[in-house]
Amino acid sequence: GNSVTQMEGPVTLSEEAFLTINCTYTATGYPSLFWYVQYPGEGLQLLLKATKADDKGSNKGFEATYRKETTSFHLEKGSVQVSDSAVYFCALRAGSYQLTFGKGTKLSVIP
Amino acid sequence: EAQVTQNPRYLITVTGKKLTVTCSQNMNHEYMSWYRQDPGLGLRQIYYSMNVEVTDKGDVPEGYKVSRKEKRNFPLILESPSPNQTSLYFCASSSPSSSGGKSSYEQYFGPGTRLTVT
Repeated sequence: GNSVTQMEGPVTLSEEAFLTINCTYTATGYPSLFWYVQYPGEGLQLLLKATKADDKGSNKGFEATYRKETTSFHLEKGSVQVSDSAVYFCALRAGSYQLTFGKGTKLSVIP
Repeated sequence: EAQVTQNPRYLITVTGKKLTVTCSQNMNHEYMSWYRQDPGLGLRQIYYSMNVEVTDKGDVPEGYKVSRKEKRNFPLILESPSPNQTSLYFCASSSPSSSGGKSSYEQYFGPGTRLTVT
């Protein structure tokens, strides 16, 4: 079956530090890949996506590249801010609508 | 504004007292889904619906019911809630959105309902 594995949290960084959150997946076929973000007290919202190999998704300074050879979709940001504190979920879609989520990584950014 | 709404946002109830959490979307989406979020377990799908009158079980359907009589609404029903159903619940909806020739089926999430069953 399909699965998503992302690095365990929590992750605590100082403001302006570099962020990497690792995500690897197992899926049949050619899935679409997503990063969702959940700010405190809110629902999930799409951060970025990539639908085929070598695509790079980007939004709000975050980036992730779909690497088929390593089955990975790592999230990166060059300089995090306090406002980036949230829980980040990696997810895949292989088929029609259904998403398979990772367990989430909580990021805390301190001034 | 395009959105998914859920009610109530917070609910404390007692074991065995039937409850319904409503979900409504205004984007004419075909697909709707319910998830529960628990610490250390991430999001797990409870039920989903591909269209009106079409529903199917997700990964953790036990103790839950759903209905899809109208395209915009997808209520979650707990006939006899138990403490192990204490959780944060999210409704989501989706339709295809094309990107580079391939549909991505982006899901839009509601704000969540925090349920406590004592």
